[in-house]
Amino acid sequence: GESVGLHLPTLSVQEGDNSIINCAYSNSASDYFIWYKQESGKGPQFIIDIRSNMDKRQGQRVTVLLNKTVKHLSLQIAATQPGDSAVYFCAENIDSGGGADGLTFGKGTHLIIQP
Amino acid sequence: DSGVTQTPKHLITATGQRVTLRCSPRSGDLSVYWYQQSLDQGLQFLIQYYNGEERAKGNILERFSAQQFPDLHSELNLSSLELGDSALYFCASSVESQVRETQYFGPGTRLLVL
Repeated sequence: GESVGLHLPTLSVQEGDNSIINCAYSNSASDYFIWYKQESGKGPQFIIDIRSNMDKRQGQRVTVLLNKTVKHLSLQIAATQPGDSAVYFCAENIDSGGGADGLTFGKGTHLIIQP
Repeated sequence: DSGVTQTPKHLITATGQRVTLRCSPRSGDLSVYWYQQSLDQGLQFLIQYYNGEERAKGNILERFSAQQFPDLHSELNLSSLELGDSALYFCASSVESQVRETQYFGPGTRLLVL
């Protein structure tokens, strides 16, 4: 079964508000996490990543928070814009030593921006 | 545009048939990953090739196979197709072989098995 999952399948926010998308993971050995954005008809697009030795990482308008105690990951999007409408996936990887085992993706959260 | 190209964009075929999906990685990328995206299973890692050699295997069925050619493009072969193989198939590429590098995804091939 999947070791990464999302709490909510759909999240609706007002334009200009902040969005918070959550992700729970079950494998405590996971040490690398990534958020991807997938717009309709397109492939996933990398947003931001975080390693397990960090609690927080910021990018342009996005922040990822990692809580290893409760195995929880979140993506915060500031001042949400219409172009942020997409499905957001969290993905994880475990360092098995080989370094190349592919990514395990959650099921995704559909972010809907209301005008 | 990620720089990863995939052909064809759409493919319709019948059960029992065999198809080949093609992927060209970004210029300079040596690693190619294949993923399957379906409504019930989500995005699943299938297989990775690095510089022509298989590097890692995920949830890839025995009916599926892949290869990476000297020019670094990759093909995913799906045989004895079943209805449940209908899905989006994505290719991603990265510079080296470490999965902690950013993977850039192509636009995908939508496969419909009738």
